[in-house]
Amino acid sequence: NAGVTQTPKFQVLKTGQSMTLQCAQDMNHNSMYWYRQDPGMGLRLIYYSASEGTTDKGEVPNGYNVSRLNKREFSLRLESAAPSQTSVYFCASSARTAASYEQYFGPGTRLTVT
Amino acid sequence: AQSVAQPEDQVNVAEGNPLTVKCTYSVSGNPYLFWYVQYPNRGLQFLLKYITGDNLVKGSYGFEAEFNKSQTSFHLKKPSALVSDSALYFCAVTRLTDSWGKLQFGAGTQVVVTP
Repeated sequence: NAGVTQTPKFQVLKTGQSMTLQCAQDMNHNSMYWYRQDPGMGLRLIYYSASEGTTDKGEVPNGYNVSRLNKREFSLRLESAAPSQTSVYFCASSARTAASYEQYFGPGTRLTVT
Repeated sequence: AQSVAQPEDQVNVAEGNPLTVKCTYSVSGNPYLFWYVQYPNRGLQFLLKYITGDNLVKGSYGFEAEFNKSQTSFHLKKPSALVSDSALYFCAVTRLTDSWGKLQFGAGTQVVVTP
């Protein structure tokens, strides 16, 4: 049971390049989330998917797009990377039932945009 | 809108002493409250949660947290800190009625436990 996995672990991009961050979970969770973590700012929600087939914007969606490919997989795409997108990106998933709202996090992707 | 405040950027404590990490929240309606821990270069790990019921919640690794509705606080505590508890701790809140389960995180508190 791997939990939440993310690829790649590290990435360096030049300004204007594009890339897709991959996330998969094997816990049969309905909801999946993408966050970015910046020093002193906690985690900020970029996009989320409440269930397969739905996605919605979070707090900081500009410059990003997402795809909920199936129940297991939720990808985050940077179409034209900017230095302001240098951050650590975390994917999370949740069963989102009345007794279980906690989210489970992947190990993160450290992205540097030069 | 919901928000979380962790008033201390860093907490320093000697090993064996009690550890407290403070969290206050603002949310309309009934809150779900969470504590997570992050070790260097790792993802966040769930520690404990408050949904309803007993105000004192026990979680992993000997941590507990006390929900105080009148003070809108959810402080994390450990009676005797270990050096291995040194990490970044996050408090988070969501609303009971928030069907998407979106968490609002605090900025985090760095805990440093010295031998």
